[in-house]
Amino acid sequence: AQSVAQPEDQVNVAEGNPLTVKCTYSVSGNPYLFWYVQYPNRGLQFLLKYITGDNLVKGSYGFEAEFNKSQTSFHLKKPSALVSDSALYFCAVRDPGGSYIPTFGRGTSLIVHP
Amino acid sequence: ETGVTQTPRHLVMGMTNKKSLKCEQHLGHNAMYWYKQSAKKPLELMFVYNFKEQTENNSVPSRFSPECPNSSHLFLHLHTLQPEDSALYLCASSLRQAAGEKLFFGSGTQLSVL
Repeated sequence: AQSVAQPEDQVNVAEGNPLTVKCTYSVSGNPYLFWYVQYPNRGLQFLLKYITGDNLVKGSYGFEAEFNKSQTSFHLKKPSALVSDSALYFCAVRDPGGSYIPTFGRGTSLIVHP
Repeated sequence: ETGVTQTPRHLVMGMTNKKSLKCEQHLGHNAMYWYKQSAKKPLELMFVYNFKEQTENNSVPSRFSPECPNSSHLFLHLHTLQPEDSALYLCASSLRQAAGEKLFFGSGTQLSVL
């Protein structure tokens, strides 16, 4: 079975500071990992994914995520937060050897203060 | 816009009503999904269609009835719902039902059951 955990309901950061949104996963094989963002009154939008290769993945809007196999983590990061980054962020995992359907976390609300 | 359109955006219905949610994608995708989003809960997969055939039914109550007449359109027929069914219902599509594919989401239908 595949699962993903987002341990923080909310992350607060000041504009201009670095941000991290945490995600840990559990799969039986090598994971496919995704980050999505949801702005108010909108659906989820794809940010980035890790399939294989370099552990540091770069995505849209200056976001990046680091795959850490030993810690089973895939934390989302950005060097300098913007107020417009305030949104709900979802981590998702797929086990390529199992279901094709991604399992999503419960989301983390990121609030960037001016 | 993501290329996935959902109507209506908001729906209020009584427990004895019958209504339908509509989803249309203009991306040429072959897989379509219904998800339920409730506050502070993981995104909950409901149904998956691949080339118009239902491939996943995640133990959804029979008061939710999906229909996929072609690869571009997906419906969710609702009848005798319960107040706990109030949530944001998201439609998504992907090119294929494969592990590495990213999902494209509509903006959702906010459903309130009175």
